[in-house]
Amino acid sequence: GEDVEQSLFLSVREGDSSVINCTYTDSSSTYLYWYKQEPGAGLQLLTYIFSNMDMKQDQRLTVLLNKKDKHLSLRIADTQTGDSAIYFCAETRLGSQGNLIFGKGTKLSVKP
Amino acid sequence: DGGITQSPKYLFRKEGQNVTLSCEQNLNHDAMYWYRQDPGQGLRLIYYSQIVNDFQKGDIAEGYSVSREKKESFPLTVTSAQKNPTAFYLCASSIRQGRRYSNQPQHFGDGTRLSIL
Repeated sequence: GEDVEQSLFLSVREGDSSVINCTYTDSSSTYLYWYKQEPGAGLQLLTYIFSNMDMKQDQRLTVLLNKKDKHLSLRIADTQTGDSAIYFCAETRLGSQGNLIFGKGTKLSVKP
Repeated sequence: DGGITQSPKYLFRKEGQNVTLSCEQNLNHDAMYWYRQDPGQGLRLIYYSQIVNDFQKGDIAEGYSVSREKKESFPLTVTSAQKNPTAFYLCASSIRQGRRYSNQPQHFGDGTRLSIL
């Protein structure tokens, strides 16, 4: 299977919460990242979490990490149409010199 | 403002031609990276450099070459040996990573879209 897996699509209504999920396989994962990509643009770092933490909150964003199940989620509260984008989960591993391993991305569509 | 500049935004390659994609950063970062993105795919690492005058192959280096003569610059050449070059190319940089723990997040440019004529 893939090293980092994400569901490909998510559709929510404006004002609702969005939850984007990610699973990874390698137990040597050290840091886990969430990036946002708008059409035709590069990747914008949203947040990241060290693998021995279980939660991190930053304004509307909440990251939850279940290390036992190797499951990461990104919750966006009060989702806005400007949040429509592709969200990538990525990990780095021990001794990897910072090389990121990406999932295929989840396309979030926000309906007014 | 500090950032990463990739140029050109769009590039067209003729068959048998080498083309070079530019990546410049003024963030004073030691490490720089090149990724390739295909539709519906995650990013795959082509080459990376942790320090000037040194670089390593990533997962898909065949058909590509790089140089790192200056800290600010990490150009990528797509050679004629790369038979399927059409993709979106992203450059990133970060503070130099530790030997074991890679906790320095990478920051990305806006990308170059390469197509074949």
